[in-house]
Amino acid sequence: QKEVEQDPGPLSVPEGAIVSLNCTYSNSAFQYFMWYRQYSRKGPELLMYTYSSGNKEDGRFTAQVDKSSKYISLFIRDSQPSDSATYLCAMSYYSGYSTLTFGKGTMLLVSP
Amino acid sequence: DSGVTQTPKHLITATGQRVTLRCSPRSGDLSVYWYQQSLDQGLQFLIHYYNGEERAKGNILERFSAQQFPDLHSELNLSSLELGDSALYFCASSALSGATDTQYFGPGTRLTVL
Repeated sequence: QKEVEQDPGPLSVPEGAIVSLNCTYSNSAFQYFMWYRQYSRKGPELLMYTYSSGNKEDGRFTAQVDKSSKYISLFIRDSQPSDSATYLCAMSYYSGYSTLTFGKGTMLLVSP
Repeated sequence: DSGVTQTPKHLITATGQRVTLRCSPRSGDLSVYWYQQSLDQGLQFLIHYYNGEERAKGNILERFSAQQFPDLHSELNLSSLELGDSALYFCASSALSGATDTQYFGPGTRLTVL
């Protein structure tokens, strides 16, 4: 079993839809959770990070962490064609440990 | 543009050969990370350098090595290349070395081993 599991998709939605992207993980020692966005032929870029459990909102994006279920989510409201990309979740153990463990990514396609 | 540069963009070579990938971090960043991205394995951490010193190792093969130079640029050396080494290699940099330090990724080097 991989440490971090993520459905590869593709997930196809119409413009304006609410998108839910998810990751599950097996190691309860993970404390820092991130979402990266990767456009085709580009490097990943950090979208959001959260510490431990709870929600964090940034514009149209909301990140949720449920440590009891070992489950994290990224919600995108009012999705736009420019949101079409691969979304990777990433996790780290503690603040002094910067090594990230990534999910394989979910490809999102938003059609106009 | 993340401010991280990687050269070359593309590299095509043969099995058994050796190649060097180069990374220049963002100005002022002390940490450099190397990752390998393939379709079957996803994005995998290879190695982390902080201010010239190795800080952490991930799934890096013995045939691979890296270093960070005094000017903070880094090189990843891949030797005795195999077909399975074909992948995208990313470098990332961050200001310090904590989990909360944003890692900024370069555009990657696409390695094809024939």
